[in-house]
Amino acid sequence: GQNIDQPTEMTATEGAIVQINCTYQTSGFNGLFWYQQHAGEAPTFLSYNVLDGLEEKGRFSSFLSRSKGYSYLLLKELQMKDSASYLCAVRDSNYQLIWGAGTKLIIKP
Amino acid sequence: KAGVTQTPRYLIKTRGQQVTLSCSPISGHRSVSWYQQTPGQGLQFLFEYFSETQRNKGNFPGRFSGRQFSNSRSEMNVSTLELGDSALYLCASSLGGRPNTEAFFGQGTRLTVV
Repeated sequence: GQNIDQPTEMTATEGAIVQINCTYQTSGFNGLFWYQQHAGEAPTFLSYNVLDGLEEKGRFSSFLSRSKGYSYLLLKELQMKDSASYLCAVRDSNYQLIWGAGTKLIIKP
Repeated sequence: KAGVTQTPRYLIKTRGQQVTLSCSPISGHRSVSWYQQTPGQGLQFLFEYFSETQRNKGNFPGRFSGRQFSNSRSEMNVSTLELGDSALYLCASSLGGRPNTEAFFGQGTRLTVV
């Protein structure tokens, strides 16, 4: 079966750095997405990786290793507004998006 | 440009009833996907429509069905509602056709079955 694993919850301090991991086992691979979802709101797109390596976008970076079935989202200079759930999703060989259950990130002052 | 619009935002139904949810995608987007989201379960994929055809389907019972119209608007229907169907139903639209196209989500319809 297809599976995406993320930690359920993480806590970090304002101004610090946090890394959210995602491991996947899917039928084929056509890219990996990270989304942010604030409580009571719709998910919003953060990043897309299809090749191995690091993609940097401001305070957020996303890394992919296809051989290891592994990705991480790195958030720097954490702000209180970064408190949210972070969803990892993989597009499989049928172009369907397979979603992880999400990681709830709690930022403390 | 306008985002993805879902109606209604909130809905309360009784067990055994049926319900229809609507999703208007971003103009020009041909792919519409539906998801069920419950606390701790993440996004559970229901189905995807592309150019009026169901392209992918998740592992939900036949009580869940959908369709897409020629203008790309989509509807989802749930018949014989059960208490366990209470959830946030999200619709996402994308251009479709290319793997790197991101999905844009609507605000969702929160369905409560009593």
